[in-house]
Amino acid sequence: AQSVTQLDSHVSVSEGTPVLLRCNYSSSYSPSLFWYVQHPNKGLQLLLKYTSAATLVKGINGFEAEFKKSETSFHLTKPSAHMSDAAEYFCVVTLYSSASKIIFGSGTRLSIRP
Amino acid sequence: EAGVAQSPRYKIIEKRQSVAFWCNPISGHATLYWYQQILGQGPKLLIQFQNNGVVDDSQLPKDRFSAERLKGVDSTLKIQPAKLEDSAVYLCASSSIHSGNTIYFGEGSWLTVV
Repeated sequence: AQSVTQLDSHVSVSEGTPVLLRCNYSSSYSPSLFWYVQHPNKGLQLLLKYTSAATLVKGINGFEAEFKKSETSFHLTKPSAHMSDAAEYFCVVTLYSSASKIIFGSGTRLSIRP
Repeated sequence: EAGVAQSPRYKIIEKRQSVAFWCNPISGHATLYWYQQILGQGPKLLIQFQNNGVVDDSQLPKDRFSAERLKGVDSTLKIQPAKLEDSAVYLCASSSIHSGNTIYFGEGSWLTVV
């Protein structure tokens, strides 16, 4: 069975400090893992994805995530937060060879303090 | 490459009225999804199409919701009659095995039922 858990519903950081959004997954198969960002009143935008290539994945806007199979984690990080990063972030897991099962995490709201 | 197109972007209707949302996926994407996202929650899959066939509609309230993708390209989601709890954003998304099953989302159709 597949599942994905976002460990924090809300994260607040100061501008210019590092960001860490945590995601753990459970999958019986080789997973594809994604992070999406949703700004207020907007649709979901793909930040980055892991599909069994390099374990360290770089995405847009300075974000990156590392796939750690031993820890079943896919945490999202950014070295220095910007005010424009304030948004909702979703971790998503799918089967590698099929899009028939897509599981969303519950989301993490990122707030940035000036 | 054009993204996933959705219309209308915003709709306000009274309860018991009907509404229809339209989605045009990215060209060549065989898989099309409709998600419902209630404020403060993650997206919930309503229905998934593979070409013009339904792959998963287990969470679609079939007494009031219907969806079709007759020619395997664009799709329509209908709600009739609407209830207050149907107020949500309806997200259309598409994917293709040729793009690693990455799911691309439209901007969403925002429904308010009063």
